[in-house]
Amino acid sequence: NFMLTQPHSVSESPGGTVIISCTRSSGNIASTYVQWYRQIPGSGPTTLIYEDKERPSGVPDRFSGSIDSSANSASLKISGLKTEDEGDYYCQCYDGSTQVFGGGTRLTVL
Amino acid sequence: EVQLVESGGGLVRPGESLRLSCEASGLSLSGYSVNWVRRLPGKGLEWVASVSTSSTYIHYADSVQGRFTISRDSAGNSVSLQLDSLRVEDTAVYYCRPRAEWLRDWGQGTTVIVSS
Repeated sequence: NFMLTQPHSVSESPGGTVIISCTRSSGNIASTYVQWYRQIPGSGPTTLIYEDKERPSGVPDRFSGSIDSSANSASLKISGLKTEDEGDYYCQCYDGSTQVFGGGTRLTVL
Repeated sequence: EVQLVESGGGLVRPGESLRLSCEASGLSLSGYSVNWVRRLPGKGLEWVASVSTSSTYIHYADSVQGRFTISRDSAGNSVSLQLDSLRVEDTAVYYCRPRAEWLRDWGQGTTVIVSS
């Protein structure tokens, strides 16, 4: 078993860029794909990134994902921040048939 | 367009049961493993259970093992989660999610409130 650790919160101004990290506690981050989700209060989650860096149809290219094996972490980069980007962001990957979620990062755009 | 619809949530007392259902339009659930995930109030997302395409492989989080049961209907077009011996700490919004990571949108979820 392993854990995924995210910063509790990040904040940035509109138009700016933010990077949210997701560090795997044990095992190789590159051994399974990482997904990123956003949840806005009152709504179901939305998938922003799958398979480390792929975007589902309809997700703008302001969102990008990457893996850093040297840091054993994944990152979600959001550029051109908008106020509607505010919400909770989660990384996730599979451990066999089970899912492991990061604790979530609250993004504030102010 | 793919839509996921969860239903069956409600307000129950500790020890009672609920049965949640998950249906999809625009996607056949029979072709995918399906997970249930919950959002605990004031907390993050937590994986709950998974069922493989043929129902051969079923897994549960330790927190629900022995109390929850995931299953598919015979055609595989819907997936259910039977919640027994509910506890206050099971209060959450429950989402079903096929293992189709390219799907952008999740369902709205179904709310389970366990309170005396």
